Amino acid sequence: DAGVTQSPTHLIKTRGQQVTLRCSPKSGHDTVSWYQQALGQGPQFIFQYYEEEERQRGNFPDRFSGHQFPNYSSELNVNALLLGDSALYLCASSLWKWTAGDTIYFGEGSWLTVV
Amino acid sequence: GQNIDQPTEMTATEGAIVQINCTYQTSGFNGLFWYQQHAGEAPTFLSYNVLDGLEEKGRFSSFLSRSKGYSYLLLKELQMKDSASYLCAVSYGNKLVFGAGTILRVKS
Repeated sequence: DAGVTQSPTHLIKTRGQQVTLRCSPKSGHDTVSWYQQALGQGPQFIFQYYEEEERQRGNFPDRFSGHQFPNYSSELNVNALLLGDSALYLCASSLWKWTAGDTIYFGEGSWLTVV
Repeated sequence: GQNIDQPTEMTATEGAIVQINCTYQTSGFNGLFWYQQHAGEAPTFLSYNVLDGLEEKGRFSSFLSRSKGYSYLLLKELQMKDSASYLCAVSYGNKLVFGAGTILRVKS
């Protein structure tokens, strides 16, 4: 049973470019949340997708957008990249109605470096 | 706001006991998580508290007081491999709000 998979693992982009990160949730999960973790900080909530709709959004600009597909996988898109977007991007997979703490699973993350 | 506060760094000796505290805003609280994160890796689940009291899991225990907006993670019989960042995260609705993490250094 595959866990949460993210791709790519590492990537380097130039300021002003656009990037797409991908996440496949754990089998049976229907909800995907994205987090940004800058070096030395805790993860910051970006947004959450369920039933192909954005359900909640954190304090991130519109340059951050996402999508969820019918198979529950998700993409995070960031436009007009800034140096400050350099971070580890984490995908969290769960059921929309989770009840136990260990039913939120994190992927290994995508390391984005903007130069 | 939904600030989660925890100490930045702690140092302890192998074999000892260490307690990492976390305070949070109580409004909208659904539950509290503790995660362990080694450098360059994803967070791994340690514990989840939704009711007041102590939850014990082997060498790790977690305590919650909902009225005080307070939790702690207790690590016993410290091992060198416990050196990591420990993240306190509170569930507000379906969203997790994380603290900045506590870097624990275990020395021999």
